[in-house]
Amino acid sequence: KNQVEQSPQSLIILEGKNCTLQCNYTVSPFSNLRWYKQDTGRGPVSLTIMTFSENTKSNGRYTATLDADTKQSSLHITASQLSDSASYICVVSAIKAAGNKLTFGGGTRVLVKP
Amino acid sequence: DVKVTQSSRYLVKRTGEKVFLECVQDMDHENMFWYRQDPGLGLRLIYFSYDVKMKEKGDIPEGYSVSREKKERFSLILESASTNQTSMYLCASTWEGARNTIYFGEGSWLTVV
Repeated sequence: KNQVEQSPQSLIILEGKNCTLQCNYTVSPFSNLRWYKQDTGRGPVSLTIMTFSENTKSNGRYTATLDADTKQSSLHITASQLSDSASYICVVSAIKAAGNKLTFGGGTRVLVKP
Repeated sequence: DVKVTQSSRYLVKRTGEKVFLECVQDMDHENMFWYRQDPGLGLRLIYFSYDVKMKEKGDIPEGYSVSREKKERFSLILESASTNQTSMYLCASTWEGARNTIYFGEGSWLTVV
């Protein structure tokens, strides 16, 4: 069964500090991995998309890494800001005949405190 | 900017009522999706559509149906709402292709009483 596990479930960090979120997956055959940010009560917004051949992808202060051999990804937030408080969702796509099948992780809730 | 619009942000319905959730996208996307999001369970796929009048069941289709009569509109229907369908419903759309960004609507919070 395709699964995406995220850790930690939640974390609290002080403004200005860095943090790293983890995503492990068992999705096969792998197509791509995405990180989304979801503010409370809003829809998810795309941060990064990585395919098999990409090891790292940055979007401002967000940097995602992918190790397709170990089936692990991380999202690193640099110099956190209060606006980074949100849930971060890892989404892995499997190749399927009619469109890509997505498997969502449970998300990591990040709270940035002043 | 791509826009995925869900018609209702907040709804309260009674058990047994028929509920329509509408979703419209303005970028000519082939693929459209309906998910529900519950605490601790993440997003779960209810149905998706890869073309007009085409639909495929997702992971949790029971109690739901969908309609895609026009490319830009994808409707989720609860024929007879039940309290366990209280949830946040998210619509999403994308072009066909592995690397394309999936765009989500703002969500519809449905409470069934």
